[in-house]
Amino acid sequence: EADIYQTPRYLVIGTGKKITLECSQTMGHDKMYWYQQDPGMELHLIHYSYGVNSTEKGDLSSESTVSRIRTEHFPLTLESARPSHTSQYLCASSELGEGEGRKSYEQYFGPGTRLTVT
Amino acid sequence: KNQVEQSPQSLIILEGKNCTLQCNYTVSPFSNLRWYKQDTGRGPVSLTIMTFSENTKSNGRYTATLDADTKQSSLHITASQLSDSASYICVVSDRGSTLGRLYFGRGTQLTVWP
Repeated sequence: EADIYQTPRYLVIGTGKKITLECSQTMGHDKMYWYQQDPGMELHLIHYSYGVNSTEKGDLSSESTVSRIRTEHFPLTLESARPSHTSQYLCASSELGEGEGRKSYEQYFGPGTRLTVT
Repeated sequence: KNQVEQSPQSLIILEGKNCTLQCNYTVSPFSNLRWYKQDTGRGPVSLTIMTFSENTKSNGRYTATLDADTKQSSLHITASQLSDSASYICVVSDRGSTLGRLYFGRGTQLTVWP
């Protein structure tokens, strides 16, 4: 069982509210990721981080923002929630980056946050 | 375009039966292929990871195969159990960037009936 946690697990909120989805891992992993997943669809990378003070946008454009002030913590914030933001948000972490010449390392996923914006 | 296609989209089998799920990919350059199991409302959990040089890997009742020449993979589940009901996701990683980009399939939704 991976030591990566997400809160809240479920959130129903009205349009225009500011929300923060929490993600924490206790494995000391440098790399962390946020994915968005709609029912029956593939995961889409929306943000990632190589380490403290590093944040990058993923492949899917998202109005959310992220921060990485501590290694173990990677929160995602929506300044003004809209119904189009309704989705499942999954956080993940890995020990090392993957790429040419590097050994691949497993990505461990949190349980996800199911967000519904009314 | 780098893509991962899975079939069937959904599958229903009886408890105790075997089944095979398919994955075709066009990701290049290839680094590794993973199979994940995702229970409803949960995050994906890794079942197997295979690199270019590996053509089969087992994890209990799960056996994954990889044919890097035809860019196909399969996941075989033996003696299915009710707890196998989940979405099975094929994920391919490329070597073309320092991030090690992951390409996700949409998953096969497996339902095991008693």
